[in-house]
Amino acid sequence: ETGVTQTPRHLVMGMTNKKSLKCEQHLGHNAMYWYKQSAKKPLELMFVYNFKEQTENNSVPSRFSPECPNSSHLFLHLHTLQPEDSALYLCASSQPSGGPIGEQFFGPGTRLTVL
Amino acid sequence: KQEVTQIPAALSVPEGENLVLNCSFTDSAIYNLQWFRQDPGKGLTSLLLIQSSQREQTSGRLNASLDKSSGRSTLYIAASQPGDSATYLCAVGTLVFGNEKLTFGTGTRLTIIP
Repeated sequence: ETGVTQTPRHLVMGMTNKKSLKCEQHLGHNAMYWYKQSAKKPLELMFVYNFKEQTENNSVPSRFSPECPNSSHLFLHLHTLQPEDSALYLCASSQPSGGPIGEQFFGPGTRLTVL
Repeated sequence: KQEVTQIPAALSVPEGENLVLNCSFTDSAIYNLQWFRQDPGKGLTSLLLIQSSQREQTSGRLNASLDKSSGRSTLYIAASQPGDSATYLCAVGTLVFGNEKLTFGTGTRLTIIP
């Protein structure tokens, strides 16, 4: 596997379910990101991890819980979601540096539908 | 707060034509600007990255320009092909409290007519 992979690619869940999204990067990067893409809205940054430490939570509701056990893996744990949480969830990675921002590489996304 | 606008929202052109996609941003204090391509239901593919000190970048039939002072970037596609049909996203990179952050526009949906 190369690049950034995400599983599952599609997920349908009820509002009372608990599920997790997984992201894995094979690029040797140290920064990982979760984005949400809803219809007709710009991509919204949700969380940022640098060297396994969460460095940004963009006012995301607590029903979304990220986890970064190491620099290659990122999870998004979901519980008691709402129908408006249905969206494409994208993971990205980059190599942070003290100078110019590193180029971000994206996974294929998980299409989430909340019933 | 940085805001990124892309005009037009949708564009259809006949195959073989050259075209320009536009991106504007409100805060010129950026570190870089990235153009992405997104196919329906898929993730993002990075096309070009322009650092704030650069004026343009080229890759094959694609050329992206950056004018920080006026808050504008353009993506020029030469000799368009049906395979270029996709949504093109512009994203501006900034440092917020030491964290790297991309702010995205809503995209231009491009259709190349064979």
